[in-house]
Amino acid sequence: DTEVTQTPKHLVMGMTNKKSLKCEQHMGHRAMYWYKQKAKKPPELMFVYSYEKLSINESVPSRFSPECPNSSLLNLHLHALQPEDSALYLCASSQEAGGMGQPQHFGDGTRLSIL
Amino acid sequence: GEDVEQSLFLSVREGDSSVINCTYTDSSSTYLYWYKQEPGAGLQLLTYIFSNMDMKQDQRLTVLLNKKDKHLSLRIADTQTGDSAIYFCAESISGGYQKVTFGTGTKLQVIP
Repeated sequence: DTEVTQTPKHLVMGMTNKKSLKCEQHMGHRAMYWYKQKAKKPPELMFVYSYEKLSINESVPSRFSPECPNSSLLNLHLHALQPEDSALYLCASSQEAGGMGQPQHFGDGTRLSIL
Repeated sequence: GEDVEQSLFLSVREGDSSVINCTYTDSSSTYLYWYKQEPGAGLQLLTYIFSNMDMKQDQRLTVLLNKKDKHLSLRIADTQTGDSAIYFCAESISGGYQKVTFGTGTKLQVIP
């Protein structure tokens, strides 16, 4: 059982749609992350939030827009995506963004397919 | 630069031990992690080791770290079919932000 919950589990959308991915954790963690994972590849970091502020954007295209409404929630807003954006999107959290030995805990991901 | 390398595939018989290997290049690594990913699921943290340790045991899992050779291994004793998954090692370097670099992943197949 994962303590990081992601919804929806699957999402199919057209290139002109707007949708959002949601992530929630109740472990009191102050750092939250979005990763993108293509098939048979390791996760690639997209964004890091620390104390509800965006601290890292790994040069992600603006069609992905993250939001952290509070310390437990993390959203990823999607608009005008491309077929190559189809992937598994993983959310993770850790106690602190810069703390030593504080592993990241992952949700089960949202499987996104762009038509 | 940071590169974390793993062999792509490992096949073992049920009941045998599995050893999954990982090499990393950044000598500044402070923590090294092992994650397990089953089909259709996220990454499950299995165990992690601080870089000043050389071994950590947790039930069926044994992690060995050779810092001189920058080599990390995960040994799974009495491997079960439920252990079939992709295993990622990862390294982190502490600082303003704990950047985690994942290895390429090893697919473990357990034959009944």
